[in-house]
Amino acid sequence: GDSVTQMEGPVTLSEEAFLTINCTYTATGYPSLFWYVQYPGEGLQLLLKATKADDKGSNKGFEATYRKETTSFHLEKGSVQVSDSAVYFCALNSNDYKLSFGAGTTVTVRA
Amino acid sequence: DGGITQSPKYLFRKEGQNVTLSCEQNLNHDAMYWYRQDPGQGLRLIYYSQIVNDFQKGDIAEGYSVSREKKESFPLTVTSAQKNPTAFYLCASSSGQGSNEKLFFGSGTQLSVL
Repeated sequence: GDSVTQMEGPVTLSEEAFLTINCTYTATGYPSLFWYVQYPGEGLQLLLKATKADDKGSNKGFEATYRKETTSFHLEKGSVQVSDSAVYFCALNSNDYKLSFGAGTTVTVRA
Repeated sequence: DGGITQSPKYLFRKEGQNVTLSCEQNLNHDAMYWYRQDPGQGLRLIYYSQIVNDFQKGDIAEGYSVSREKKESFPLTVTSAQKNPTAFYLCASSSGQGSNEKLFFGSGTQLSVL
């Protein structure tokens, strides 16, 4: 079945550091790929998405490129801020209405 | 403002008790979902509904029940058969138009056992 594997956290960074969170997937067909973000005590919000190979999703300085050859969708940000502290989830949806989520990566950015 | 409202924010369950978590949306979405979040395990799908009066089991439906009598509402009942109910429960909705549609999430309900 479909599955997502993302790097384990927690990740702790200083402000203005470079952030990478690795995500790889297993799926039949050609899934859509997503990154969701969860701030403390809240639900998830869509951060970015890509629906086909080589697409790049971007939002709020975050980027991720759909790499079919490596089945990956790594999240990157060049200069993080304290406000980026959150839990980040990689997810995929292949052929129906169900999203498959990774385990989440907790990111803490220190001033 | 359009969105998803979950209530209560915190809920406590006694042994042998059934409890119901509320989820209401005013986004006019056809599809609604219930996820369970445990630390370090990500989100797991409990039930989902693509249309009124219809719903399907997700990956961990045992010990839970749902109904979808109205488009706006998708309540989740945690029954006494669910032996480990302590978790953060998230409700979500989508337009149901395809696999690249994003989900809109509520703010969640933290359920704990007394």
